[in-house]
Amino acid sequence: NAGVTQTPKFQVLKTGQSMTLQCAQDMNHEYMSWYRQDPGMGLRLIHYSVGAGITDQGEVPNGYNVSRSTTEDFPLRLLSAAPSQTSVYFCASSQTWGQDEAFFGQGTRLTVV
Amino acid sequence: AQTVTQSQPEMSVQEAETVTLSCTYDTSESDYYLFWYKQPPSRQMILVIRQEAYKQQNATENRFSVNFQKAAKSFSLKISDSQLGDAAMYFCAYRTFNQGGKLIFGQGTELSVKP
Repeated sequence: NAGVTQTPKFQVLKTGQSMTLQCAQDMNHEYMSWYRQDPGMGLRLIHYSVGAGITDQGEVPNGYNVSRSTTEDFPLRLLSAAPSQTSVYFCASSQTWGQDEAFFGQGTRLTVV
Repeated sequence: AQTVTQSQPEMSVQEAETVTLSCTYDTSESDYYLFWYKQPPSRQMILVIRQEAYKQQNATENRFSVNFQKAAKSFSLKISDSQLGDAAMYFCAYRTFNQGGKLIFGQGTELSVKP
């Protein structure tokens, strides 16, 4: 059982480049979300989805896009990378929202130079 | 808006001793869930324990237990008989039933365990 799979694990981008962080889950979870982790700030929600075709913004959405065309996949797009987007990114999924444990991917360490 | 605060950036405990990590939160909601997650150096986020706000009984999972004080909006984690493998970053998290059930995290507490 793979759980939540994120790719790549590490990435270096130049300022202005675009890229997509991939996230896939095989647990048939409806709820998926993206977080960024920065030192001293915990994890902050970027975007989330409560089902295929439905997405919404979290607390730090600027500079990122998402889409949810299938239940399994929830990619995060960086439109024009900036040094402020240097961070560790986590994708998470859960069966429902509220009571259930969120399962996390291994994270992507992104450096923008 | 809900907030979660962990006021101890770093904690240290001797192996086999007990340590308590603090967490406070602010909310106007009556129903919610609280979690403690562990993040070892591998970066993997691992659920340690969860607490349902409408349950007065404190949750326990083996050596891990919580002290949940709903009126005080406090949710501390106690680790008994600390082991070297407990060394990690610990995050307290609040989960709302609104806004897609988003998780709101505290800043984290780095726990070191001395042999």
